[in-house]
Amino acid sequence: DAGVIQSPRHEVTEMGQEVTLRCKPISGHNSLFWYRQTMMRGLELLIYFNNNVPIDDSGMPEDRFSAKMPNASFSTLKIQPSEPRDSAVYFCASSLQGKGNTEAFFGQGTRLTVV
Amino acid sequence: GDSVTQMEGPVTLSEEAFLTINCTYTATGYPSLFWYVQYPGEGLQLLLKATKADDKGSNKGFEATYRKETTSFHLEKGSVQVSDSAVYFCALVQGAQKLVFGQGTRLTINP
Repeated sequence: DAGVIQSPRHEVTEMGQEVTLRCKPISGHNSLFWYRQTMMRGLELLIYFNNNVPIDDSGMPEDRFSAKMPNASFSTLKIQPSEPRDSAVYFCASSLQGKGNTEAFFGQGTRLTVV
Repeated sequence: GDSVTQMEGPVTLSEEAFLTINCTYTATGYPSLFWYVQYPGEGLQLLLKATKADDKGSNKGFEATYRKETTSFHLEKGSVQVSDSAVYFCALVQGAQKLVFGQGTRLTINP
């Protein structure tokens, strides 16, 4: 398996523009996580899905952020409108939950810069 | 709720020094415990894990033992190398719940 695949790897956009980050989890995994990493706040969980259903979105900063998982092999994180303070590295991770506690596998991340 | 606390960083050591990065957790049940490592410009990778009390996880010379009595999972390595420079994250997961991470500890090894 190719692992968790995120795109794009880098994104530079202007304030006010819509940004869409994409994630393809590992085939067969049933949980998917979106994290944001900054120097100031470290690694923050934004939202996670189990069997394509959002379970906990309490980490989503505000209404400008939304995430979807239309099927087991694809998820998006959208920011509309984007702001400079959204600049961060966004990671997607997937895992197989349900039969014991298994580790999460992370993608390479998307480095977002909002100017 | 469940939480993980790591020792404050950054940590700077000389090559071949002994490494300990402390990690303690708070959880209501019996979580699995993990150490992840993040090399510059990359995502997090699983370094080692332990799924029950007294288990020892090990990989690449790193070790950590699941201590239920002290709710700890300290990371150790007997002789560090420059290539071990990275950010290390302690984490737990319980049942079908989300992974809970510590704040991360940046480790720098000088030659």
